[in-house]
Formats: sequence, C-alpha cells, structure tokens
Amino acid sequence: GESVGLHLPTLSVQEGDNSIINCAYSNSASDYFIWYKQESGKGPQFIIDIRSNMDKRQGQRVTVLLNKTVKHLSLQIAATQPGDSAVYFCAENPMNRDDKIIFGKGTRLHILP
Amino acid sequence: GAGVSQSPRYKVAKRGQDVALRCDPISGHVSLFWYQQALGQGPEFLTYFQNEAQLDKSGLPSDRFFAERPEGSVSTLKIQRTQQEDSAVYLCASSFAEGGNQPQHFGDGTRLSIL
Repeated sequence: GESVGLHLPTLSVQEGDNSIINCAYSNSASDYFIWYKQESGKGPQFIIDIRSNMDKRQGQRVTVLLNKTVKHLSLQIAATQPGDSAVYFCAENPMNRDDKIIFGKGTRLHILP
Repeated sequence: GAGVSQSPRYKVAKRGQDVALRCDPISGHVSLFWYQQALGQGPEFLTYFQNEAQLDKSGLPSDRFFAERPEGSVSTLKIQRTQQEDSAVYLCASSFAEGGNQPQHFGDGTRLSIL
C-alpha cells in the first residue's frame, strides 16, 4: 500500500555539522515530494519540494535528493543551527491526486551544543 | 502575517459534546485541506475543498465529522458527539491553486482534548 517512512526516528547532530535526514517511500506513482519542519506546538512549515523529473534541488542551506530507482528521499541541512531542532516530515503527493499528501512518521532532529 | 489562521488554539470538551473548529486560509487560496495529527505521528488527511466544493472527504473517520466552506474562504470542521479518540491536533492547510504538485501551507492547528 501507500506509505512514506523514515529510517531513523531521532537524529542527534553537533551544531555546525551537516544533517542528513532520510526517507523511503513505497508508492512509485508519486510524482511530487515535500519536506516539512514542525516545531513543538506549531503546524508543519514548508521547507523544500521536488518533482519526480528532478533528482536534486537546493534551497537556502537545504538540499533535497531524490533517488527514484530505490525510492529514497533525503534532506540535507548545511551547518546545522540550534533553530533547526524540530521534527522533519517527508510527504508525497501520489500522481493523479489533486488533494491529499501522505506524511511519514517524522524524524526528530536534536542539535548538540 | 498572512498565514493560515486557526481558532481556537486549544479546545477542551466533555465526551458527547459537539465542537466546531475554524480555519481562515491564506487570502486567495483556492484549495483548503483538513488533517488530523495524533501525538507523535504525521498528519493524516481528512478532507479537501476546492473553493466551496468538497471534492474529497474520504479521510473523515465517521459521520460524526462534518466540514464546510460555504463561501469558498473560511472553513469549519465540526465534530458531533465527541469521543475520547477524537483527541488530536486538527490542522488546516491551503494552497494557491487547484491540483497537486504544489506545497500546502499549514496553520498551527487546534489541539482538541476530549475528557
């Protein structure tokens, strides 16, 4: 069935290092993927998206990589800062669906001083 | 700011009571979505509006859940005869146009607790 999951539920990273958050998806028909950041008590905040016709997209301090062959998505955060502490969700939009996106369970990112 | 606004932020109700949750989407956004988020989980889709039309309500857990968007802007999610399992954060999101392949922008949610 459709599912989006994450390899690690918790990730601890030293401040200033790069963070890599991974995500596996199972629906090969998905053609659009999004990363969201959710801080405690707040709604998910859009970080970056990527369409299935791309394999890499860069934003400010963030890069998303898409490997369709193994159905893997990753989010790289450069020079991790304390403000990056949050839960990160990958989400997918199945092709031909105008509406819902499907979220994974999330990875909590801890920044170590 | 001009983000998605939800009210109330917190709602406590006794089992059996009816509740109404409000969402003000970003101005001009055509699409509006409701999601339910249980503790420690990712949001799960409930229903979707394109303007005032409810095009998908497949995620609504039971007929106790009802959503409307009568004028194509503000939306209300109503839960009748609340049960303890309805306790969750209810998130609203909006996007500019109809169709997928675009980011949905979320509000901060309403945390519903059923006693």
